[in-house]
Amino acid sequence: EDQVTQSPEALRLQEGESSSLNCSYTVSGLRGLFWYRQDPGKGPEFLFTLYSAGEEKEKERLKATLTKKESFLHITAPKPEDSATYLCAVQVFFGEGATNKLIFGTGTLLAVQP
Amino acid sequence: DADVTQTPRNRITKTGKRIMLECSQTKGHDRMYWYRQDPGLGLQLIYYSFDVKDINKGEISDGYSVSRQAQAKFSLSLESAIPNQTALYFCATSPGLVADTQYFGPGTRLTVL
Repeated sequence: EDQVTQSPEALRLQEGESSSLNCSYTVSGLRGLFWYRQDPGKGPEFLFTLYSAGEEKEKERLKATLTKKESFLHITAPKPEDSATYLCAVQVFFGEGATNKLIFGTGTLLAVQP
Repeated sequence: DADVTQTPRNRITKTGKRIMLECSQTKGHDRMYWYRQDPGLGLQLIYYSFDVKDINKGEISDGYSVSRQAQAKFSLSLESAIPNQTALYFCATSPGLVADTQYFGPGTRLTVL
């Protein structure tokens, strides 16, 4: 069964304290791995897409990496405005037409204190 | 202006009522999706549509129906709402390319009493 697990469920950091969020997955055919940011009461906001092991992408204080079984979202010197829930999703084939679909993890709630 | 909009943003209704949630997009994408989000669970796919004539069930379509009125509009209906349909509902769109990144609307918070 395709599955995505994120850890930790919640993480509290001091401003400037770097850390990493984990997304591990077991899927039959990975077509891509996505990271989203979700603020309270809002829709998920796209951050990154990774396609193959070894790939890395960066945006401001965030860097996403991918291996064959997991992805990490590294947060360097976080600021309070980085506080949000970070969602990981894997894209797999689905249905008779080999349609792509996203399987989401439950997210990591990040709180960055000043 | 937002590329993906949802109306209403909040709705409280009673058990047995028919409810329609609407989604509009200006991104020009062919593919549209409806998800629900419950506390402690990941986003779950309800229905998806790859064009106006192509509508498909997702993982949790029971109790829901959809209508794709145009490329830009995709509506979700709850024919007879029940309390366990209380959740956050999100519409998303994607371009249908290899990357096929999904872009989400702001969500509708639905409460069924």
